[in-house]
Amino acid sequence: AQTVTQSQPEMSVQEAETVTLSCTYDTSESDYYLFWYKQPPSRQMILVIRQEAYKQQNATENRFSVNFQKAAKSFSLKISDSQLGDAAMYFCAYHYGGSQGNLIFGKGTKLSVKP
Amino acid sequence: DAGVTQSPTHLIKTRGQQVTLRCSPKSGHDTVSWYQQALGQGPQFIFQYYEEEERQRGNFPDRFSGHQFPNYSSELNVNALLLGDSALYLCASSLAANTEAFFGQGTRLTVV
Repeated sequence: AQTVTQSQPEMSVQEAETVTLSCTYDTSESDYYLFWYKQPPSRQMILVIRQEAYKQQNATENRFSVNFQKAAKSFSLKISDSQLGDAAMYFCAYHYGGSQGNLIFGKGTKLSVKP
Repeated sequence: DAGVTQSPTHLIKTRGQQVTLRCSPKSGHDTVSWYQQALGQGPQFIFQYYEEEERQRGNFPDRFSGHQFPNYSSELNVNALLLGDSALYLCASSLAANTEAFFGQGTRLTVV
């Protein structure tokens, strides 16, 4: 069975600094998708970034980038120039096959941003 | 575009009762998925509906059932509520053809 593990329950970063959130996963599939979602106190899950496993190039979305290591089954999120609005729960998620509605999530990392 | 909308926002039920939660997908989406998010945990996949049929199901008992209507909206029903069913229930909509899932703001269910 596929699993997603986030080993950092909480992280803290100073405003304008860089922080990296870790995620590992386990799967026997070769083609799949990985995601980072942000969940602020408003509770709505917001997609931050997506990575297709068949793509070797790491995905980037403005201040957010990933380090995808397929062989190591590692998928970390780097947030550069952290802003107060980045404070939230961050969830790593995995998807294989069909519509991307059936995601497997990790337990999340709570990110605090200090002014 | 209203995005994914869920109702109600909050709900309190008594143990043993039944509850129905509702979800309207994002405009143009045909697939609805439901998740249970217990406090301090990541969301867990309950099931997914497409073309009014349950297409995939996670590891949840039969007390959890659902329905999708011709307009693609969906309901999640939970029978014989247990205290452990207290959680945030999230709905996500997507297109069948492997596209991004959009989430609603969830329904907070408290079972007392």
